[in-house]
Amino acid sequence: DIQMTQSPSSLPASLGDRVTITCRASQDIGNYLRWFQQKPGKSPRLMIYGATNLAAGVPSRFSGSRSGSDYSLTINSLESEDMAIYYCLQHNEYPLTFGSGTKLEIK
Amino acid sequence: EVQLVESGGGLVQPGRSMKLSCAASGFTFSNYGMAWVRQAPTKGLEWVATISYDGSSTYYRDSVKGRFTISRDNAKSTLYLQMNSLRSEDTATYYCTSWFAYWGQGTLVTVSS
Repeated sequence: DIQMTQSPSSLPASLGDRVTITCRASQDIGNYLRWFQQKPGKSPRLMIYGATNLAAGVPSRFSGSRSGSDYSLTINSLESEDMAIYYCLQHNEYPLTFGSGTKLEIK
Repeated sequence: EVQLVESGGGLVQPGRSMKLSCAASGFTFSNYGMAWVRQAPTKGLEWVATISYDGSSTYYRDSVKGRFTISRDNAKSTLYLQMNSLRSEDTATYYCTSWFAYWGQGTLVTVSS
């Protein structure tokens, strides 16, 4: 199975900060990587697909990138509405696997 | 507007069965692969099963293989998850998703005696 190692697990940050969350894939997944945002009591929301493509309606302060087997989600100029848990998902190979999540919270 | 509405969750005893449904609207259901994802209380997301657009291919995580069956009725724009021999570790909120682009609100399944 492909392991998605997500870091950090918790990320205290201040409004206006630039933050980066990373997932490292244990095997090649190409660009079959998605990022999701989940707020308490809510369903996940697709933020990034194809590793680097912004989903519809997602603010442009969000971006995705790839460097080898490392995939990153960057949020520029944090806003209060961005506080949530973020997950990556690889859908290159079954079983599909999520990262363990990063809780983004106000410092 | 895309809508996915799950139903069928609730409290069930270990070893019993339950069937979840997901009614889809706002998009051409028969064109999309669908999946079930679950989330145990206070835990992360876990993929459960996927079905192709026409139902010809299905995939399962090992822990549910042989116990769960994903199916679809394209005429009714509805996705299903038949869950047999339920265990306490199956307790979770179950989400249906149209290839992870759109998600339902989730339905809670609690397996307990």
